[in-house]
Amino acid sequence: ETGVTQSPTHLIKTRGQQVTLRCSSQSGHNTVSWYQQALGQGPQFIFQYYREEENGRGNFPPRFSGLQFPNYSSELNVNALELDDSALYLCASSRGTAAVVEAFFGQGTRLTVV
Amino acid sequence: GQQLNQSPQSMFIQEGEDVSMNCTSSSIFNTWLWYKQDPGEGPVLLIALYKAGELTSNGRLTAQFGITRKDSFLNISASIPSDVGIYFCAGLDSTSGTYKYIFGTGTRLKVLA
Repeated sequence: ETGVTQSPTHLIKTRGQQVTLRCSSQSGHNTVSWYQQALGQGPQFIFQYYREEENGRGNFPPRFSGLQFPNYSSELNVNALELDDSALYLCASSRGTAAVVEAFFGQGTRLTVV
Repeated sequence: GQQLNQSPQSMFIQEGEDVSMNCTSSSIFNTWLWYKQDPGEGPVLLIALYKAGELTSNGRLTAQFGITRKDSFLNISASIPSDVGIYFCAGLDSTSGTYKYIFGTGTRLKVLA
């Protein structure tokens, strides 16, 4: 039990729709990173939020966006869903950006786009 | 996106056997990490390595940070059924000013009782 919770655990959406995934970080952690894990692959970095600001982004298009709230929880939004967006979406929280080695992952949200 | 190469891709072993797996990169990392992921769960950190040549143990697990800083190795001794899962290596990348993990492709371990 890492203290990082994600919701929902599973989700099915239709191509073209929009989706919002949520992450509650561990108490005392002010940094949240989001990763996409396609089936049979390792997680890929999407972006990171630190103190409510985006603090770095991976190779993902602008239709992937995010927010971080004053309580450090975070949302991942994906617009205009494509079939290839089907994946496990993971968030990881840490205390500060350089402390990411001590980041803890949530259980993930399994998104299926049909 | 960038991924590290892990081998073997999958392995079946008998309970009690030792297991070895490795991870290679075209880039240098100053921190290497090993994770285990069970079905339907997020990755769980097993071992973190901070120095080239370092050998670190965590129970039956031993990991080494390669001297070139482009590879790492994980050994599991006397495997047990609960060792089943997918093992990922990750390098900590800070070159763009953001600390983020670059994960490997994973080694799927199955233990036969």
